Amino acid sequence: AQSVTQLGSHVSVSEGALVLLRCNYSSSVPPYLFWYVQYPNQGLQLLLKYTSAATLVKGINGFEAEFKKSETSFHLTKPSAHMSDAAEYFCAVLQAVGNKLTFGGGTRVLVKP
Amino acid sequence: DTAVSQTPKYLVTQMGNDKSIKCEQNLGHDTMYWYKQDSKKFLKIMFSYNNKELIINETVPNRFSPKSPDKAHLNLHINSLELGDSAVYFCASSLYRQLANYGYTFGSGTRLTVV
Repeated sequence: AQSVTQLGSHVSVSEGALVLLRCNYSSSVPPYLFWYVQYPNQGLQLLLKYTSAATLVKGINGFEAEFKKSETSFHLTKPSAHMSDAAEYFCAVLQAVGNKLTFGGGTRVLVKP
Repeated sequence: DTAVSQTPKYLVTQMGNDKSIKCEQNLGHDTMYWYKQDSKKFLKIMFSYNNKELIINETVPNRFSPKSPDKAHLNLHINSLELGDSAVYFCASSLYRQLANYGYTFGSGTRLTVV
């Protein structure tokens, strides 16, 4: 089964600084990968997805992620953090069997003024 | 015009009670899911229905019983509620053959508190 691991349960950044959230995957087949964001007391919203068309994927709200097969990674970045980026971020992988998404443990982003 | 709507948003109930959570989607999707998010934000799939047919049934106590009257609705009934059932329950939907391209659309969640 495919899996994802998010390194760091909490990340604290200053407003205007780079946001880097780490996700590593384990898969015996080419993976389909996703990043979701969960704002407080809300459901999860799709930020971006990797479907093998391009290794650098741009998403909403200025976020992007790069798929690196050699590092089995799909890290999420944003060049300049905004206060509104404070949320929980989840990496997910599509299971080849069962047609479902399996989520990482999440990373909470705190943005300091 | 909410895409995936869950009711109620909050549910506080006593141990031993029976409760239901409802989910409806107006996206024309053919597959719906229930996920449980615990206090540490970990998301675990519980059930999935495709065109009213149960296709995923994870290791969940049989006190939990999903029902899908049609492909736009998925309900979750919980019998004999326990303290450990306290969590946020998310409904999600997708197109079964397009999950890789579009992912899930989530509802806003139901926060269940058992006291």
